[in-house]
Amino acid sequence: EVQVVQSGAEVKKPGESLRISCQGSAHSFANYWITWVRQMPGKGLEWMGVVDPGVSRITYNPSLQGRVILSVDQSTSTAYLEWSSLRASDTAIYYCTTNFLSAGVDYWGQGTLVTVSS
Amino acid sequence: EIVLTQSPDTLSLSPGERATVSCRASQTIIQSSLAWFQQKPGQAPRLLISPASTRATGIPDRFIGGGSGTVFTLTITALEPEDSAIYYCHQYVYYPHTFGQGTKLEIK
Repeated sequence: EVQVVQSGAEVKKPGESLRISCQGSAHSFANYWITWVRQMPGKGLEWMGVVDPGVSRITYNPSLQGRVILSVDQSTSTAYLEWSSLRASDTAIYYCTTNFLSAGVDYWGQGTLVTVSS
Repeated sequence: EIVLTQSPDTLSLSPGERATVSCRASQTIIQSSLAWFQQKPGQAPRLLISPASTRATGIPDRFIGGGSGTVFTLTITALEPEDSAIYYCHQYVYYPHTFGQGTKLEIK
C-alpha cells in the first residue's frame, strides 16, 4: 500500500500565490503517473493534469488555460500544484493520485482544501 | 475532448437489489482504458474497476465492469448499505483525461 500525503488546508486571498504538495513513495513517483484532480464544492471530479515520469512529460487540461503549474521533485518524491494568482473560482478540494490505471493501481491523497476569499 | 455521459444521474434502490450505471463516451475508448471510481462523502475517490472489466485489489466481486467501445457499464449486484456513494467513470487514454458527471446511488 502506497501512502500519498498531501499538504494541509489553505485559506488565501484573490491574487495571492500558492503551492500545495503531495508526497508519495519513491517507487510510485518514479514509475506511475502523478495526476491532480479538482473537485469544486458540491461538484464532480475534474482532471487537471498529469506528470508522466516515464517520458518526463507534463500534460495539462486545456480548460485550466495555463493558470497552474505542475511539477515533481523526484529526490523527495513530492509533487506540487502551483498558482501565481488565485481566484475565488479556484476554491476546491485538490486531490493528488499516483496511478497505473491500466494495471489497476491507484493511490489517492486525502485531498487539500483551498479556499480563496477576500 | 472525450465527453463521458453517465446515466442515470441518481439511483434509489433497496439492499439486495442490483444497480446498473451506464457510461457513454463521445468517441471510442481504445484498449478498454476506462475506470470506475466510488466516492463517499468527505472521502477521496476509490478505484473500483480498471481497465473496463478488471476489479481493483480488494474490491468485492459484487462490483462488475463491462462494455467496450463507447458504452460501458458498472453493475453492483446485491446492494449493501455501504454502497451508498457517487460513482464516476473515467477515461485515461486520450488527453485531456475526463470523468463522467457522476451517478449518485442511494440505498433506501
